Amino acid sequence: QVQLQESGPGLGKPSETLSLTCTVSGGSINNRDYYWGWIRQPPGKGLEFIGGVYYSGDTYYNPSLKSRVTLSVDTSKNQFSLSLTSVTAADTAVYYCARRRADLNWFDPWGQGTLVTVSS
Amino acid sequence: QSVLTQPPSVSAAPGQKVTISCSGSSSNIGATYVSWYQQLPGAAPKLLIYENNKRPSGIPDRFSGSKSGTSATLAVTGLQTGDEADYYCGTWDVSLRTDVFGGGTKLTVL
Repeated sequence: QVQLQESGPGLGKPSETLSLTCTVSGGSINNRDYYWGWIRQPPGKGLEFIGGVYYSGDTYYNPSLKSRVTLSVDTSKNQFSLSLTSVTAADTAVYYCARRRADLNWFDPWGQGTLVTVSS
Repeated sequence: QSVLTQPPSVSAAPGQKVTISCSGSSSNIGATYVSWYQQLPGAAPKLLIYENNKRPSGIPDRFSGSKSGTSATLAVTGLQTGDEADYYCGTWDVSLRTDVFGGGTKLTVL
């Protein structure tokens, strides 16, 4: 079965760029049926959708984060990545990657999540 | 503020039934499918219900979903202590052109 695993630095400084990668195993990211998404969860708070990327490189973003987010996909490595610029303490959260059915709005499976703390 | 509105918390005794509401608008719930996610303490969210009322393999039939107009409901019957978790609804917003989640509901089994 498909599994996702997030990776990247667990600590970042204000104003820097946060970069995370999600590695997909057990299936190909080169699949027309799915988008690949990022969702985050600040400590003690709810889920916030960040954006999604298709195997072709097509993307869509949460309007509230769009100016700072870039998603990309590397089909040769079966990975997709998140870049979030100009981070502040408000970007401290657990970041999840998840597979999203392209024509239907559900996410499954999810990665285990990775905590990113923004602090000077 | 979340686009989708859920009650912050619900509670019920073991064996009882509980429902969790998710209220939206004609640009999200009223326009497309709703999904539900269960997040156990310290774990990642897990898909519980998709396309309003379908259960993925392995999800017990104690969990059911429904949708009417611009609202959706998750029902859990035969409550067990292991059902204590946060529950989130999610859908697509055609106006915002993005996926959206509810603020989450904490289920306590008394």
